Amino acid sequence: AQSVSQHNHHVILSEAASLELGCNYSYGGTVNLFWYVQYPGQHLQLLLKYFSGDPLVKGIKGFEAEFIKSKFSFNLRKPSVQWSDTAEYFCAVNRDTGNQFYFGTGTSLTVIP
Amino acid sequence: GAGVSQSPSNKVTEKGKDVELRCDPISGHTALYWYRQSLGQGLEFLIYFQGNSAPDKSGLPSDRFSAERTGGSVSTLTIQRTQQEDSAVYLCASSLVWSNEQYFGPGTRLTVT
Repeated sequence: AQSVSQHNHHVILSEAASLELGCNYSYGGTVNLFWYVQYPGQHLQLLLKYFSGDPLVKGIKGFEAEFIKSKFSFNLRKPSVQWSDTAEYFCAVNRDTGNQFYFGTGTSLTVIP
Repeated sequence: GAGVSQSPSNKVTEKGKDVELRCDPISGHTALYWYRQSLGQGLEFLIYFQGNSAPDKSGLPSDRFSAERTGGSVSTLTIQRTQQEDSAVYLCASSLVWSNEQYFGPGTRLTVT
C-alpha cells in the first residue's frame, strides 16, 4: 500500500537555524508531491508542490523542497527559520493515476525566539 | 473570497447516534475531498467527488460512513451508529481539478462519548 513517512515527529530549533524535514514515500510510479503547513489555529495550507520539471521547487515564505526520485524523497528545507514558522508540517503524495492523496503523520516544528 | 467552510465546528454525540457533517466548498471548485485526522495520525483519505462522476469511496472505513454531494456543491458526510473510534477531526478540501492545490476547511471535531 502507498505510504508516506515523515521521520521527525517533533523538531525544536532556535531562530536562524536551518531546517530540513524528511519525507519518503513508497510508490514507485509517477507521483505529485506536496508540503502543507498548519499554523496554530489556522487551516491547512499549501507550502509548495512538485508535479514535474525542476526537482528543486520553491514555495512560500522561503521554503523549498527537493524531489530525489532514486531515494523516493521530498525533503523540505529552509535556510533560516523564524519564530513564525512554528507549525505542523505535512507531506503528501498523489499518484498520477489516482484520486487519493496520502499524507504523512506530520512534523511539529517549534522555533524558539 | 470565501474559503471552504465546515459545520459544525465541534460535535459531541453519544455512541450509537448518527451524525451529519457539512462542507461548503469554494464556489466553482469541482473536486471535493473528505479526510479524517485522528490524534497523532496523518490525514486519512475518506472519499472524493469530481464533478458529476461517480465518487471514489475507496477510503471509507466501513458501511456506517457515507457521503453525498448535492448539485455539485455542498457535501454531507454521514456517520451512522457512531463508535468511540470515530472521534477525530473531519476535514474537507476542494480544488479546481484533482491534481491542483487543495483548499482545506477548518474541520469538524467529532467526539463520541
